[in-house]
This record gives sequence, C-alpha cells and structure tokens, in this order.
Amino acid sequence: KNQVEQSPQSLIILEGKNCTLQCNYTVSPFSNLRWYKQDTGRGPVSLTIMTFSENTKSNGRYTATLDADTKQSSLHITASQLSDSASYICVVSLNTGFQKLVFGTGTRLLVSP
Amino acid sequence: DGGITQSPKYLFRKEGQNVTLSCEQNLNHDAMYWYRQDPGQGLRLIYYSQIVNDFQKGDIAEGYSVSREKKESFPLTVTSAQKNPTAFYLCASRLTGQNTEAFFGQGTRLTVV
Repeated sequence: KNQVEQSPQSLIILEGKNCTLQCNYTVSPFSNLRWYKQDTGRGPVSLTIMTFSENTKSNGRYTATLDADTKQSSLHITASQLSDSASYICVVSLNTGFQKLVFGTGTRLLVSP
Repeated sequence: DGGITQSPKYLFRKEGQNVTLSCEQNLNHDAMYWYRQDPGQGLRLIYYSQIVNDFQKGDIAEGYSVSREKKESFPLTVTSAQKNPTAFYLCASRLTGQNTEAFFGQGTRLTVV
C-alpha cells in the first residue's frame, strides 16, 4: 500500500531556532517527492520538488533532503520565524499516467516568540 | 493575476441538499484535481481531469460528481448521497507531465447543518 508517514505530528520551537521534520514513504513507482506548507484554512503552497536523483534542494531557509535508498526525506527549517507556523506536508508522486500524489498527514509546527 | 480560485470560501448546506463548489484556473493547465481534507488525515483524491470533457474517479468519488466543459473550470458537486460531506475541499491544477508543480486553491470549507 502506498503510504507517506510524517513525524513528529506536532512541534513547538522558539523563534530563531532550527528544526527538522521527517518523512518516510512506501510508494511505488516513485516519481518525485514534494514538501508543501499549509497555513490554517488555506491551500498548500509548494516549497520543494525533488526527483530520484536529487539529494538536497533549498528554498530560502527551507532545505529538503532525499534518500531514495532508505525512502526517507527531511525538511530542515533554519532560523525559524513566527510566519513559519503552519502544517508541513510531505507528498510523493507516483510515476503513473496521471502522476497521482500521495499525501502525508503533515507536521504542525508552532513557532513561539 | 494568474492562479487558481475556489469559491465560496465557506459553505453551509442542509442535509439532503446538493451543493456545487467552484474551481477556476487561468494557468492554462490541462490537469485539475479535487481533494478532500479531514483533520488528522492526508488529502484524499475525489476526482481528477487531465483534459477537457474527460474526468476520472479518485479514491473517494462516491457521493460526488464533476464536469469539465471548459479547460479553466472544474466544478465539484457534493450530492445528498455523500454521507459525511463536512470537510475542507481543495482544488488543484498542474501541467501534465512529470515533475510539474501542483497549484492549490485556497479551499472551500463545507459544513452540513
């Protein structure tokens, strides 16, 4: 069964600190892995997309890593800001005709002042 | 501005009534999707369409219907047959092909009263 699991479920950190979110997947056939940020009550916004051959990709203070051998990914947030408070969703795309997206349940991050 | 627009943002429906959620995009994307988001669960695919006048059932299509008469529009009807319709509904669009970014609307929160 195609699954994407994320940990932790929720996380509280102080403003200015770094944090790392984890994603494990059992999805086949794999096409790419994405990280999205979703503010409460709004649609997800793409942070990064990584293909099988990419180990790391950055978007400002966000850095995603991918280990395709162990089927694990992480999202590292550097120097957190209050605006980083959101849910972060790991999504894996299947290498099928319509590129189905399999969503994790997300990590809810709260950055505290 | 280019983007994907969902309306309304909030919708209340009485039990036994059908209701239609709007999704419009001006990104010239061929593929459009409807997802449902419930607390503690990942997004689940309701319907998708890869081309005008064609659409396919996703994982949880029962109680829903769609149409794709125009490239820009992909409305979702929640019928009275949907047993638990209260949820946050998200529409997305993307170019067809691998590794293309999916853009999400801001969502419609449907509440059955």
